[in-house]
Amino acid sequence: GAVVSQHPSWVICKSGTSVKIECRSLDFQATTMFWYRQFPKQSLMLMATSNEGSKATYEQGVEKDKFLINHASLTLSTLTVTSAHPEDSSFYICSARDVGQWATDTQYFGPGTRLTVL
Amino acid sequence: AQSVTQLGSHVSVSEGALVLLRCNYSSSVPPYLFWYVQYPNQGLQLLLKYTTGATLVKGINGFEAEFKKSETSFHLTKPSAHMSDAAEYFCAVTNSGGYNKLIFGAGTRLAVHP
Repeated sequence: GAVVSQHPSWVICKSGTSVKIECRSLDFQATTMFWYRQFPKQSLMLMATSNEGSKATYEQGVEKDKFLINHASLTLSTLTVTSAHPEDSSFYICSARDVGQWATDTQYFGPGTRLTVL
Repeated sequence: AQSVTQLGSHVSVSEGALVLLRCNYSSSVPPYLFWYVQYPNQGLQLLLKYTTGATLVKGINGFEAEFKKSETSFHLTKPSAHMSDAAEYFCAVTNSGGYNKLIFGAGTRLAVHP
């Protein structure tokens, strides 16, 4: 149980284009999902908290117009990197908090999406 | 503010040896503590967590961790390392009470040698 999927697992795009990454909780409902960015050999950096049916909450320094987040259902959140540039190349990981385990703050992580912007 | 410190960015052990990965936290309220493992180019997998109750927590793959409030520590151990344990390990903390963000440590890369 507690499986989170991400699609695509890797994507290569040209500079200036937009890329959408999907995060799905497969066997549980998640009112809250999180988007992280991870640079090589570093820890995870929280970008934003995605709440079902409401606007995402972005961490300081994260451009909300650059990284659009939509949490349309209890099992799906999407991250769209708009007008991507090479500096946006990174490993993006989502996590989902099981609504049934909200009291323990347990997050389950997706496998990540490797974005390369040429 | 909460924080997590993982002592040792790299730990190397021989196969069959004890694994000890150190984690100290700072929190003004009772914490919830987690250990995650990350294999190359993959997401994070939950190894174990402490919320309340028994301070010695057993997780998957033979790992366990002990919450020591007096030492503000949550060190991860495994009696006998296996080659497949080689990975990056992250300790994380959040406040008790739900709906809080995870604060991650910098991570410890575990290497296991034959």
